[in-house]
Amino acid sequence: DGGITQSPKYLFRKEGQNVTLSCEQNLNHDAMYWYRQDPGQGLRLIYYSQIVNDFQKGDIAEGYSVSREKKESFPLTVTSAQKNPTAFYLCAVGGVRRGSEAFFGQGTRLTVV
Amino acid sequence: GESVGLHLPTLSVQEGDNSIINCAYSNSASDYFIWYKQESGKGPQFIIDIRSNMDKRQGQRVTVLLNKTVKHLSLQIAATQPGDSAVYFCAESMGTYKYIFGTGTRLKVLA
Repeated sequence: DGGITQSPKYLFRKEGQNVTLSCEQNLNHDAMYWYRQDPGQGLRLIYYSQIVNDFQKGDIAEGYSVSREKKESFPLTVTSAQKNPTAFYLCAVGGVRRGSEAFFGQGTRLTVV
Repeated sequence: GESVGLHLPTLSVQEGDNSIINCAYSNSASDYFIWYKQESGKGPQFIIDIRSNMDKRQGQRVTVLLNKTVKHLSLQIAATQPGDSAVYFCAESMGTYKYIFGTGTRLKVLA
């Protein structure tokens, strides 16, 4: 919130379909992150990007892809290879300065139908 | 709303009482810690942070305590209000761009 926009808020995916979650920020932060949240578990890092045109795999990158063509945008694609995609997805941004807080968007709830 | 925190530990407190939420962090090399508040169906909100060169930091109605000896972090909320009901979790960082998040504690404020 406060300059981080995730869309859509709710998303339904059919089996075998790719879907893309949007994350846009106007906070001028360099670092952007995608996390997955499941009930009873801590946030798990999918991908992160420290700078435009560069991104790194997180702990659970399999079945996901990202791009970082612009500083403001870090879209996440959930591919058909992700076997259990139903979850709450959170985008976050953080500063270049080491050890600065991460600010989160309001999340996208993805459900497989 | 989002069913985040279905199986989380729950702390129930009376309105007006103080709340203490605890977190055990995992890495002794972590040097930066954050507390977040997450309401159902929403993204986490930053509450307060602390660096490893401090033991205590105070904000508005909140205090974070850090005990590096036992790798323990706590969040104290003074005069707990109904609007404080949420899931609270801590995060640690080793001064990099990566954070490790705890699973969280659900705070219920009883009227």
